[in-house]
Amino acid sequence: AQKITQTQPGMFVQEKEAVTLDCTYDTSDQSYGLFWYKQPSSGEMIFLIYQGSYDEQNATEGRYSLNFQKARKSANLVISASQLGDSAMYFCAMREYAGGTSYGKLTFGQGTILTVHP
Amino acid sequence: GAVVSQHPSRVICKSGTSVKIECRSLDFQATTMFWYRQFPKQSLMLMATSNEGSKATYEQGVEKDKFLINHASLTLSTLTVTSAHPEDSSFYICSAMDPAGEQYFGPGTRLTVT
Repeated sequence: AQKITQTQPGMFVQEKEAVTLDCTYDTSDQSYGLFWYKQPSSGEMIFLIYQGSYDEQNATEGRYSLNFQKARKSANLVISASQLGDSAMYFCAMREYAGGTSYGKLTFGQGTILTVHP
Repeated sequence: GAVVSQHPSRVICKSGTSVKIECRSLDFQATTMFWYRQFPKQSLMLMATSNEGSKATYEQGVEKDKFLINHASLTLSTLTVTSAHPEDSSFYICSAMDPAGEQYFGPGTRLTVT
């Protein structure tokens, strides 16, 4: 079963507008972390934002915010005031914690290609 | 932030040859490194988890004899694609985990097998 699902293969947004990229996840663990990465055409993975399962507040990092709906198991990324440089592929990822001091591996969603129009 | 390098960034090789890709953590010790493979416009698929001084743990469906992983030191892991074929052409990305559990990605290596 897919652990991380991104249902939007592609999204388009006008420059300066906000856009929401969807992500749902599936886990039976209580302790887990959710990540969003940006991958421009160069291929590098750029970390954007992190949300821990026990965090009560939605994470924010500059123009990025994570809309964390724990009961719905969703972790949507909101990008405000889109810029042309935001055009890239975006990945949602989850890490399930193995407990103690060990850390689980990252599992990625299928990705969403965001195109920002001038 | 922490830096992870990969070498080479691009490589073209002939079918049947072997290619080695290096992943280095430049300013921290990485007890665990991960190797991913990514086809165009697709997700990152974990190939294997590499722990320093021990054998790598491969994901289901990944041939360990074809993708040799060595994690000889706390700052270096290598992936060797043996007897490469055109279907092995892909983007290979490593990531390194620091002792705090933070994971940092390398810039990736684009492999083309002709």
